[in-house]
Amino acid sequence: EVQLVESGGALVKPGTSLRLSCQASGFTFNEAWMTWVRQAPGKGPEWVARISLHRDGGATDYAAPVKGRFTISRDDSKSTLYLQMNSLQTEDTAVYYCTTYLRGYLESWGHGTLVTVSP
Amino acid sequence: QSALTQPPSASGSPGQSVTISCTGTSSDIGGYNYVSWYQQHPGKVPKLIIYEVTKRPSGVPDRFSGSKSGNTASLTVSGLQAEDEADYYCSSYAGRSVVFGGGTKLAVL
Repeated sequence: EVQLVESGGALVKPGTSLRLSCQASGFTFNEAWMTWVRQAPGKGPEWVARISLHRDGGATDYAAPVKGRFTISRDDSKSTLYLQMNSLQTEDTAVYYCTTYLRGYLESWGHGTLVTVSP
Repeated sequence: QSALTQPPSASGSPGQSVTISCTGTSSDIGGYNYVSWYQQHPGKVPKLIIYEVTKRPSGVPDRFSGSKSGNTASLTVSGLQAEDEADYYCSSYAGRSVVFGGGTKLAVL
């Protein structure tokens, strides 16, 4: 059974940094493209970032609102996905989900971790 | 404003069929056969119910079906059941990104 467990969410002030982690199990992590998706309170999901396989160069892509501030990375030896978030803004407040990714669809989702950015 | 446009609400009675539309552009829906749909019950994690326009993951009832014409995709729920009441989100591959719709709240009257 695929399991994705996010951690690292917290209440932080604007301008600070936070790193999210996603521990994966139940599938071959190093053969899976992965993404981060966020969902602000009362809003729909918003794609945040994507990372390809290590053997494909670990290419990354980002949504416009986070480009230059967020960095997605992976450690295949630990089956763990990361999201480094810098210069956090109040608009970044959301539940952050780790998901598998294939041809544009997100099959498996974690339960999410809440990030609250507030003065 | 979401990249893909969905009606904010839809409704139907038990046993009826309801279709939810999702309109994008030639850079997303119209350019690829990679449209997906997600169902989300209150307080729950989104669940994939349709991928690659028409395919259903294992375990998703065949009451759920998807289609696409040009820049518009559609999700049809046939034989509505009470448990189908939820928010539904469309999504599309868009090259180097993924875009979502704003969501449709489906009410089963």
